[in-house]
Amino acid sequence: AQKVTQAQTEISVVEKEDVTLDCVYETRDTTYYLFWYKQPPSGELVFLIRRNSFDEQNEISGRYSWNFQKSTSSFNFTITASQVVDSAVYFCALSEAKAAGNKLTFGGGTRVLVKP
Amino acid sequence: KAGVTQTPRYLIKTRGQQVTLSCSPISGHRSVSWYQQTPGQGLQFLFEYFSETQRNKGNFPGRFSGRQFSNSRSEMNVSTLELGDSALYLCASSSSRTSGGRDTQYFGPGTRLTVL
Repeated sequence: AQKVTQAQTEISVVEKEDVTLDCVYETRDTTYYLFWYKQPPSGELVFLIRRNSFDEQNEISGRYSWNFQKSTSSFNFTITASQVVDSAVYFCALSEAKAAGNKLTFGGGTRVLVKP
Repeated sequence: KAGVTQTPRYLIKTRGQQVTLSCSPISGHRSVSWYQQTPGQGLQFLFEYFSETQRNKGNFPGRFSGRQFSNSRSEMNVSTLELGDSALYLCASSSSRTSGGRDTQYFGPGTRLTVL
């Protein structure tokens, strides 16, 4: 069965510092998809990024970047030059190609607090 | 495009009652998934509907049920409420025309259910 682990429960930084969130996953499927979502205090999960298992190229999108390493089953996410508005809970999630339909398995989340 | 909408946003019920939550997906999206979020169990997949058919189901008791209408709107029903059903219920939609978890899910603001 699939599993997602976010070992960091809470990270506190001062504005403008970089923040890296760790995510380790387990799956038996050879094709899968990885996601990062942000949940601000309002409660809605906001989609941030998505990665396919067959594409290990790491990218940067604005202040967000991610490091996908299939060899270590990790999908880490970095916020560069953090801002107070980045304060939220961040979830890493996995879906498998062999699954019927869409089913996301989430990690436990990492609470990020950015102090001014 | 309007996002995923959920009604009601807040609900208070007593043990033994039943409740119905509603979700309207993004226009054109045919897949609707439901998730339960609690402090203890985190985010857990309930079920997914596509073209009025349940396509995938999580590990929840039969008290949790759902349906989808021809306009893709979905409802979730919980019968014989228990204290442990208190949670944030999130609905997500995707354009998914095929199975296989490749589609990004977009979430609504959630319905916060409190069972007294």
